[in-house]
Amino acid sequence: TQLLEQSPQFLSIQEGENLTVYCNSSSVFSSLQWYRQEPGEGPVLLVTVVTGGEVKKLKRLTFQFGDARKDSSLHITAAQPGDTGLYLCAGPFRGSARQLTFGSGTQLTVLP
Amino acid sequence: SQTIHQWPATLVQPVGSPLSLECTVEGTSNPNLYWYRQAAGRGLQLLFYSVGIGQISSEVPQNLSASRPQDRQFILSSKKLLLSDSGFYLCAWGGDAGANVLTFGAGSRLTVL
Repeated sequence: TQLLEQSPQFLSIQEGENLTVYCNSSSVFSSLQWYRQEPGEGPVLLVTVVTGGEVKKLKRLTFQFGDARKDSSLHITAAQPGDTGLYLCAGPFRGSARQLTFGSGTQLTVLP
Repeated sequence: SQTIHQWPATLVQPVGSPLSLECTVEGTSNPNLYWYRQAAGRGLQLLFYSVGIGQISSEVPQNLSASRPQDRQFILSSKKLLLSDSGFYLCAWGGDAGANVLTFGAGSRLTVL
């Protein structure tokens, strides 16, 4: 069974601080995605990483795919209250092109 | 552009009552459609997915069923709800085959009392 484990489960920080959240697996994924979900809404795709060692930046968010394609990280610089939300990583389930398996998420709260 | 609609947004139902959640997609044809369930503040569990009209794959045996009567319509149903069916239900559509990118609806929050 492919499992994606995210850590930490909860994170509460002050505005302006930096943070990193992690997504780990014992399995190799052809790609990983990161989504952000706000309360009462569906998740919204932030980025897809495909190549081992790949780094993608989205304003203050930096996403990295591990060299072995078993893990990924999301680093936020100078966090803002608008970054608050549930961050989910996801990858193809059993290599399927049609199904995604999701991690359990990291709930981030950025306090003003 | 593609949009996805879910309704109702919120539903409170007694145990043993039936359920019907609807999802429709606009702006695309022959999409892959998905139903996920999410426990409070947690990850998503895939319940059903469909690659075409009348084609339903179930990932988790349970009290729920799904149907796809039209290309862009996906329905989640139950004949008799259980307390454990409470949760946040999300419909999603997948883009081009192999892209693995999902676009989610706003969700339907179900509370079974």
